[in-house]
Amino acid sequence: QVTLKESGPGILQPSQTLSLTCTFSGFSLSTYGMGVGWIRQPSGKGLEWLANIWWDDDKYYNPSLKNRLTISKDTSNNQAFLKITNVDTADTATYYCARVELASPFDYWGQGVMVTVSS
Amino acid sequence: DIQMTQTPSSMPASLGERVTISCRASQGISNYLNWYQQKPDGTIKPLIYYTSNLQSGVPSRFSGSGSGTDYSLTISSLEPEDFAMYYCQQYDSSPWTFGGGTKLELK
Repeated sequence: QVTLKESGPGILQPSQTLSLTCTFSGFSLSTYGMGVGWIRQPSGKGLEWLANIWWDDDKYYNPSLKNRLTISKDTSNNQAFLKITNVDTADTATYYCARVELASPFDYWGQGVMVTVSS
Repeated sequence: DIQMTQTPSSMPASLGERVTISCRASQGISNYLNWYQQKPDGTIKPLIYYTSNLQSGVPSRFSGSGSGTDYSLTISSLEPEDFAMYYCQQYDSSPWTFGGGTKLELK
């Protein structure tokens, strides 16, 4: 059974760094073809893909966030991480992690974690 | 970036009705197209991958089709639990992009 769960700070101030953790079970990021992706959704708006990390440590980022994103993984502990630097109010959103599988990307999703950027 | 345009943005419909949601890509995406359902509590459920393949556990009343730039999701007979938001997403090229969503509402 595949499950994913996001965790984050809840609230942070502008210019700080947002650190998110995705803790998963039922698959391994050391398995060929597996990956984890991050997607966010501002309240009342649509979905935006942020980044993917693959079993071979290959990483892909949404260029719209320029150099603010860093994705990483801890294979031993079944976790993936996303950092967003220099946040502002536009980064207020629900952040989701999802399993990425070569044949079927985003086939399992976490419940999402709400992040608010406010001074 | 590939732009994904979903139509309509909202759709009133009745129980038992057959509905179709469309998704148009700004360039060909070679069938690399997924569909998702999102409930008001934020839960996202994958429905279809690679245009027409049902995810495990998804009822057979859902189906997907399309090619090139034009894709669609069809629900053959609406059940109460189907009233939700629906999103398409392309994964042909990075950055992966989503459509703006279609809200399926009870008429």
